[in-house]
Amino acid sequence: DAGVIQSPRHEVTEMGQEVTLRCKPISGHNSLFWYRQTMMRGLELLIYFNNNVPIDDSGMPEDRFSAKMPNASFSTLKIQPSEPRDSAVYFCASSKGYNEQFFGPGTRLTVL
Amino acid sequence: GENVEQHPSTLSVQEGDSAVIKCTYSDSASNYFPWYKQELGKRPQLIIDIRSNVGEKKDQRIAVTLNKTAKHFSLHITETQPEDSAVYFCAASRIPTFGRGTSLIVHP
Repeated sequence: DAGVIQSPRHEVTEMGQEVTLRCKPISGHNSLFWYRQTMMRGLELLIYFNNNVPIDDSGMPEDRFSAKMPNASFSTLKIQPSEPRDSAVYFCASSKGYNEQFFGPGTRLTVL
Repeated sequence: GENVEQHPSTLSVQEGDSAVIKCTYSDSASNYFPWYKQELGKRPQLIIDIRSNVGEKKDQRIAVTLNKTAKHFSLHITETQPEDSAVYFCAASRIPTFGRGTSLIVHP
């Protein structure tokens, strides 16, 4: 298995632009998590899905952030409009139930 | 929700020494406690985990202990090596709430 796949690996955009991050979980995993990592706030859980259904989105910072999981093999995290304070590394992780999470390589987002 | 406190934030040791990182949690219903290691520029990876029905678990130089009554758990690394240098995160609950991380530096 290729592991969790994220794209793009790096994204540089200007304030106000829409950003879409993509994630392909490991086949057979039924839980998917989106995290944001910054020096100031550490590793924050934004949202998680179980069997494609959003279970807890209380970590989503504000309405500018949205996430979808249209099927078991794909998820997106969208920021619209983006702001400089959204600059961070965004990780997607998947697991089989509530067990070890496997993280993707992350997307480094820079908003100018 | 769950609240996880992790200490220390930075730990500097000499090669061969032991290192201990401690975490406390708030939700007594939490039953899964993983530890992740994140090397610079890399993704977090699980190094060991423990469930609430076990008090201690060991894997070579790494061990984790859990005290459910006191709601704290610890990571123990013995005979540290320079390649152990990384940031270590503890987590608690079924939907992991992560601690802020401990930057471990092992000096040769």
